[in-house]
Amino acid sequence: EAGVTQFPSHSVIEKGQTVTLRCDPISGHDNLYWYRRVMGKEIKFLLHFVKESKQDESGMPNNRFLAERTGGTYSTLKVQPAELEDSGVYFCASSQGGGLALSQFFGPGTRLTVL
Amino acid sequence: QQQVKQSPQSLIVQKGGISIINCAYENTAFDYFPWYQQFPGKGPALLIAIRPDVSEKKEGRFTISFNKSAKQFSLHIMDSQPGDSATYFCAASSRSNYQLIWGAGTKLIIKP
Repeated sequence: EAGVTQFPSHSVIEKGQTVTLRCDPISGHDNLYWYRRVMGKEIKFLLHFVKESKQDESGMPNNRFLAERTGGTYSTLKVQPAELEDSGVYFCASSQGGGLALSQFFGPGTRLTVL
Repeated sequence: QQQVKQSPQSLIVQKGGISIINCAYENTAFDYFPWYQQFPGKGPALLIAIRPDVSEKKEGRFTISFNKSAKQFSLHIMDSQPGDSATYFCAASSRSNYQLIWGAGTKLIIKP
């Protein structure tokens, strides 16, 4: 069974540009999460999808960040326009529904560098 | 109230020794406490997890000890091996809010 995949693995962009990160969860996992680790700091929650619906987006830093999960499969996280402080590693995770929802499986992350 | 505090920041242990990493939390609503292991260039991988109705959970060489009254939990790695060298994260969440609240991570190095 394939794990959580993320694309791209690295992205280097100029301040003010737009970047879109993609996450493909484990097949059949209804729950999808985005997290971010800014260098030297702890991993922080961004948002949580249940199927195509946003269950919790309390961690989204501001309206420059837009997450979508059309059709309840893969998800995209768009940053527009990117700022220097958006640099970090963006992780996607997925989990099954019901009693196994808390066991989150992570992708390898996308390292975003904003210059 | 949402914080999870993890210590130490880094740890060096001789091969065959016991590695111990500690975490403390504040929010009594947390009811799920996982540990994740992360190797360079990879995402965090779920290692072992515990719920507050038990005080200890063991899987192979990895044991979580949980002290509900002190709001603390720890990871013990017995007979530590060089392949255990990684960054370890504790986290906490609840069934009412699935978002994981993370500790800052511990970089563990096992010396051969």
